[in-house]
Amino acid sequence: DVKVTQSSRYLVKRTGEKVFLECVQDMDHENMFWYRQDPGLGLRLIYFSYDVKMKEKGDIPEGYSVSREKKERFSLILESASTNQTSMYLCASSRLSFRQAEVGQPQHFGDGTRLSIL
Amino acid sequence: KQEVTQIPAALSVPEGENLVLNCSFTDSAIYNLQWFRQDPGKGLTSLLLIQSSQREQTSGRLNASLDKSSGRSTLYIAASQPGDSATYLCAVSPSIGNTGKLIFGQGTTLQVKP
Repeated sequence: DVKVTQSSRYLVKRTGEKVFLECVQDMDHENMFWYRQDPGLGLRLIYFSYDVKMKEKGDIPEGYSVSREKKERFSLILESASTNQTSMYLCASSRLSFRQAEVGQPQHFGDGTRLSIL
Repeated sequence: KQEVTQIPAALSVPEGENLVLNCSFTDSAIYNLQWFRQDPGKGLTSLLLIQSSQREQTSGRLNASLDKSSGRSTLYIAASQPGDSATYLCAVSPSIGNTGKLIFGQGTTLQVKP
């Protein structure tokens, strides 16, 4: 079974701190994703990566950065945490799809990190 | 811009009922559609993935259908059980750009009463 592990289930930080959220997957997946989930807004994509050292902005990248130095690890960084970044953060991974083959791959999610910024 | 809508937002049924959850999307140019389950305070579990060229997928008591032309998908749950209580989300992968990206609906929260 695919396992996506997020380093913390719950995290409390203060405004202005630099915050690191870590995610590790054990299935050699090329794609990795960071989402945040808020009531009434659903899941929104922050950043994703399809290869080591590659990253692309999602729908709400402002205030965040990412790092992918190894294939299995994808880190989300809050450069200077603010209260509006209090949320549930979800990491996911999937195998890269080749469009010509028309075989999409499911995304596998971690259990999430509930982050509170005080 | 692709938008995904799930109706109803919440549903409560007695145990044993068959039920249908609905998902609609505004742009029919999709690569695939996925259904997920989310238990409270947890991550998402992938249930079914339907390729754009397929009409349906089945897994146990679950059956998902896809009608790309009308922008609709349904998740059919047969003989519902209390353990099926969860939030169900659908997500589409746009056909342009990275095929891994997903756009999510806001989910339907299902309660199955014993």
